[in-house]
Amino acid sequence: EAQVTQNPRYLITVTGKKLTVTCSQNMNHEYMSWYRQDPGLGLRQIYYSMNVEVTDKGDVPEGYKVSRKEKRNFPLILESPSPNQTSLYFCASSSTGAGYTFGSGTRLTVV
Amino acid sequence: SQKIEQNSEALNIQEGKTATLTCNYTNYSPAYLQWYRQDPGRGPVFLLLIRENEKEKRKERLKVTFDTTLKQSLFHITASQPADSATYLCALDGDSNSGYALNFGKGTSLLVTP
Repeated sequence: EAQVTQNPRYLITVTGKKLTVTCSQNMNHEYMSWYRQDPGLGLRQIYYSMNVEVTDKGDVPEGYKVSRKEKRNFPLILESPSPNQTSLYFCASSSTGAGYTFGSGTRLTVV
Repeated sequence: SQKIEQNSEALNIQEGKTATLTCNYTNYSPAYLQWYRQDPGRGPVFLLLIRENEKEKRKERLKVTFDTTLKQSLFHITASQPADSATYLCALDGDSNSGYALNFGKGTSLLVTP
């Protein structure tokens, strides 16, 4: 089944403790992206990648890092999480000229 | 600055009627415009993509129009059903300098009542 898999689905962590949210797709898509969704603010793009080793900042990149060493994986790294990064995160992937396939989301709480 | 605007007020319609949702944008020259459906707590689901040189696209009970002069897209659901109740998101790709960076509007909530 074609899908984008994010892990974990839920995560509660403490301020400053580094964490990684994994994202993997099995559709051989070139494009991958990370979004966060907050009430009243909608979906905002954090980082995106146009292919292996090619990444760029979205609208809200501060406090996040990404890497794209393999085509299928696009992890999101929070080096020192803070409470304002509490949010619902989505990973998504796409091929050229097609719609995005989204993962099921990761609900992150930073206390 | 670039903006994508969708009606923030929820749209309530009766089952069987046609729902029409609006997406307006400024300071974009998109190659594509996309519509997604999102249910609470779940990831958006892709519905339709329309290219800048296309005026209209249909898929089953869905119809999308794209007017690059007005900078507007209309999304229609005909013969609406309670199962169509969800939030619908409009999305545009960024400009040539930003590659395929897909930006979303905040969505319009649709409620279809029996």
